[in-house]
Parts: sequence; C-alpha cells; structure tokens
Amino acid sequence: AVQLVESGGGLVQPKESLKISCAASGFTFSNAAMYWVRQAPGKGLEWVARIRTKPNNYATYYADSVKGRFTISRDDSKSMVYLQMDNLTTEDTAMYYCTAIAAMGRFAYWGQGTLVTVSS
Amino acid sequence: DTVLTQSPALAVSPGERVTISCRASESVSTRMHWYQQKPGQQPKLLIYGASSLESGVPARFSGSGSGTDFTLTIDPVEPNDTATYFCQQSWNDPWTFGGGTKLELK
Repeated sequence: AVQLVESGGGLVQPKESLKISCAASGFTFSNAAMYWVRQAPGKGLEWVARIRTKPNNYATYYADSVKGRFTISRDDSKSMVYLQMDNLTTEDTAMYYCTAIAAMGRFAYWGQGTLVTVSS
Repeated sequence: DTVLTQSPALAVSPGERVTISCRASESVSTRMHWYQQKPGQQPKLLIYGASSLESGVPARFSGSGSGTDFTLTIDPVEPNDTATYFCQQSWNDPWTFGGGTKLELK
C-alpha cells in the first residue's frame, strides 16, 4: 500500500527556517511527481510546491505565496521529498501534506501531515 | 488563477440525497476532482475526472459536470458522511481547490 509519512514540523519564530520531509513507499517513487499541499487552521487547501521526475529534469513549481522562500527537492535513492522553508511568516502556519498524483492530476495519495506553527 | 466556488455549508438528514456544487471561474474541461476531509484527518479522494469513482469509494458517491459547473452527489447520505468536501481542478495552472462545503447531518 502507498504510504507517505511527513516529519519535521514544529514551532518556529517569524523569519526563521524549517525543513520538512516526506518518506514515500508502496509505489515507484522515481516515476511520480510529488507535491506539498498546506492547510491553515480552519481553512481550505492550498497547493504549495511541485517537483517533477528525472526525465523532466526535476522541474520545480511554486505557489506565488511561497515563491523565493520555499524550495522543494527530492532524493529518489531514498524515496524522500523535502520542503525547505525560509523567511517564514505567521501566514505560513499550517498543516503541510505530502501528496502524490495519479492520472488526470488527481491527488490520489496523502500523508497524515506535519504541523508548522510560526509564532513569536 | 482559476477560482472554484463552493457553498460553505449544507445540512441534511440521513437517508436523503445531497448535491454539493462547485463552480469554476473558467472552463476546466472534466479535470475536476472531489475530496472528503473529516476533522483531524487528511483529505481522501472520492471522484476524479468529474465522474469517475476512485477505487474503494462507496457507490453512494457520484460526480457530474463539465466546463464550469460540477456536482458531487451523495445518495443516500449516511451519518459517517459528516465532513468537509473540496473540489480541485487540474486543467489550468496553477491547480486550485475550492473553499470546501461542510456537510452536517440533522
């Protein structure tokens, strides 16, 4: 079965950095584009970052709200995807979900999420 | 960006039929997907491609629509269906989500 397990969330102060991770298993990770989707407390879902596969040169894409501050990366040898978050603001407080898509761009697989809280 | 608009909340009685709507600000063809999220849990995919049932999802759930207007139907509604339902489009970049419809049971 597909499993996505996030880790690394926590409490940080504004302008600090944090790196969260996602361990994937149960599918051919190297063939899958990976995403981070976040959800602020009591709010809706927001796509944050995307990384494509090696044949697509590991191309990365970001939501405008995080562009220039967040960096998504992956290690196919370890089936891991990461999100480096710099210059965090209180508006980045959210549950961060690691997701993988299936055909037609549907988010078929979700981790349980890791909570990032930005507060002074 | 493509804005997806959903009604904030609905209340229905168990055994009834409920339709949850999602309207897109521009055409998304049939690249509309629906998710269920219960409190404290991650979202779960229910419907993809507007009308295809994800594996393992009960046939009480169905979807329809194309272009800009889409509907998720639950028939009959069961007490366990209390949740927030989100639509998501993957036709226009960036992919976007609706604000969610909170379904409550009377």
